Amino acid sequence: GENVEQHPSTLSVQEGDSAVIKCTYSDSASNYFPWYKQELGKGPQLIIDIRSNVGEKKDQRIAVTLNKTAKHFSLHITETQPEDSAVYFCAAPRVAGTALIFGKGTTLSVSS
Amino acid sequence: NAGVTQTPKFQVLKTGQSMTLQCAQDMNHEYMSWYRQDPGMGLRLIHYSVGAGITDQGEVPNGYNVSRSTTEDFPLRLLSAAPSQTSVYFCASSLKTSGRADNEQFFGPGTRLTVL
Repeated sequence: GENVEQHPSTLSVQEGDSAVIKCTYSDSASNYFPWYKQELGKGPQLIIDIRSNVGEKKDQRIAVTLNKTAKHFSLHITETQPEDSAVYFCAAPRVAGTALIFGKGTTLSVSS
Repeated sequence: NAGVTQTPKFQVLKTGQSMTLQCAQDMNHEYMSWYRQDPGMGLRLIHYSVGAGITDQGEVPNGYNVSRSTTEDFPLRLLSAAPSQTSVYFCASSLKTSGRADNEQFFGPGTRLTVL
């Protein structure tokens, strides 16, 4: 069945380091790959997304890369700050329907 | 705009009780969904809707009912609560696009439900 795998499940970095989270997906027809950030006690919020017609997208300190051949995409956060500490989810459109299928999440801890 | 609102924020039920989790959005979004979040499991889809009067099942629909009588509201009903339904529930909405979820989904703040 359709699946989104996300690694690692936890990631600890020092402030100023880079962080990378990777996801693989199973549906080769997927064309949209969002990343969500969830802070404690809140709902997930979109931080960046990429569509299948581009290989990379950047927004200040965050970037997403997509490899459609290998069916994987990654989130890159540079110059991490303590406020980047949160749970990050990757997602892809479900094969059927108008909702997303999510990875299991990565808990990022940035220590100062 | 208030965005996506959910009530209540917290709820404790006894096994066998029923209740309705409320979700409303004021962005005129056609697509709405309910997810549950459990530790280490990510977000799993319960039910979704592509517009008023149209709903369908997601990955984990058993024990839950939904209806969509208006564009704005998408309530989730627990028919007979079980301890396995202890979870955090999120409602989300997005604009209608190509028929797949290829647009930003806006999430509510969640309802934390405990079933004893």
